[in-house]
Amino acid sequence: DVKVTQSSRYLVKRTGEKVFLECVQDMDHENMFWYRQDPGLGLRLIYFSYDVKMKEKGDIPEGYSVSREKKERFSLILESASTNQTSMYLCASSSPGRANQPQHFGDGTRLSIL
Amino acid sequence: GNSVTQMEGPVTLSEEAFLTINCTYTATGYPSLFWYVQYPGEGLQLLLKATKADDKGSNKGFEATYRKETTSFHLEKGSVQVSDSAVYFCALSDQNFNKFYFGSGTKLNVKP
Repeated sequence: DVKVTQSSRYLVKRTGEKVFLECVQDMDHENMFWYRQDPGLGLRLIYFSYDVKMKEKGDIPEGYSVSREKKERFSLILESASTNQTSMYLCASSSPGRANQPQHFGDGTRLSIL
Repeated sequence: GNSVTQMEGPVTLSEEAFLTINCTYTATGYPSLFWYVQYPGEGLQLLLKATKADDKGSNKGFEATYRKETTSFHLEKGSVQVSDSAVYFCALSDQNFNKFYFGSGTKLNVKP
């Protein structure tokens, strides 16, 4: 089975801090994704990556950046955390090719910015 | 553009009741369609998928049929259990980098 591991289940940070969320997958997937999940809004794509050192903006990239130095690891960075970035963050990965490949999700990181 | 609309919840049912969660989509090209389930405190798990028109995806008693003529992919189960209580997400995948578009989720509560 595909395993997507997010480094923290719960995280509390302060406004203005630089925050790193880490995600590792063990299936050699090319594609990796970061979403945030908020009540009533479903999942919104922040950034995705289709190869090492490649990244593409999703629907809500403002205030975030990403890093993909190795194929298995995709990091989400909050440059200067703000309270409106309090949310559940989900990482996913998938193999490339046709659109019928499912995305595989980690258990999520619930981030609180105080 | 691509988008997914699913019925708002919460949906509350008694055990052994019939379940339908509606999902409609707008897409360019020929997307694949998915249902995911999220149990409390967990990430999303793939429940079922369908990759072309008239395909039926099924898993754990849940079914959904890819209807191109009505652009729908409704989730059904004949007899729900308390353990089915979760949030269900409908999604489509386009052909560019396997990018997904999710509905807003429908919370299902099943009472004993």
